[in-house]
Amino acid sequence: NSKVIQTPRYLVKGQGQKAKMRCIPEKGHPVVFWYQQNKNNEFKFLINFQNQEVLQQIDMTEKRFSAECPSNSPCSLEIQSSEAGDSALYLCASSSNSDYTFGSGTRLLVI
Amino acid sequence: QEKVQQSPESLIVPEGAMVSLNCSFSDSASQSIWWYQQHPGKGPKALISIFSNGNKKEGRLTVYLNRASLHVSLHIKDSQPSDSAVYLCAVSNYGNEKITFGAGTKLTIKP
Repeated sequence: NSKVIQTPRYLVKGQGQKAKMRCIPEKGHPVVFWYQQNKNNEFKFLINFQNQEVLQQIDMTEKRFSAECPSNSPCSLEIQSSEAGDSALYLCASSSNSDYTFGSGTRLLVI
Repeated sequence: QEKVQQSPESLIVPEGAMVSLNCSFSDSASQSIWWYQQHPGKGPKALISIFSNGNKKEGRLTVYLNRASLHVSLHIKDSQPSDSAVYLCAVSNYGNEKITFGAGTKLTIKP
């Protein structure tokens, strides 16, 4: 069982709706990542945090995606206005000193 | 930007065979190279990592890293049907920066 907990497991949204998913990182891991994995198994890095502060993020994240990692609360990734192309597996990972652990992902389907 | 390429795209072998998976990366300064296993609908699970030139063995797995040729390989001895999965090669430069994944090799072990 993964030590990184992601919820919900599945998410179905209509185009234009908000989609929000959550992640509880592994205890003691200060860095949290969000990745998008498409149906061709390709990974796209979205954003990462260290102790609640954003380290890096891609342009896509800056526009329709928002993410946060508040202290003492789950991290979250929210898509403000879902598009069909956002349908993918969203993976959260946490790390400490090059030791990465992935969650099981949230499978988003935008119809 | 780091590029990671894996070969072959897919591989079918009989149970008990030795499996060899290949990965090439573009940045010689890449610090950590990881191999992950991913089953359908699940998050990637870390199998083995290597930092120094040479080889590393863990159970049925052996990984070889050649930094001069920017190549790393994973070998699975005595393959089992339960080894059937997508195998992902991933590279990172620093402990807490994003990791870059290859597109994976889909491995099928036939009983």
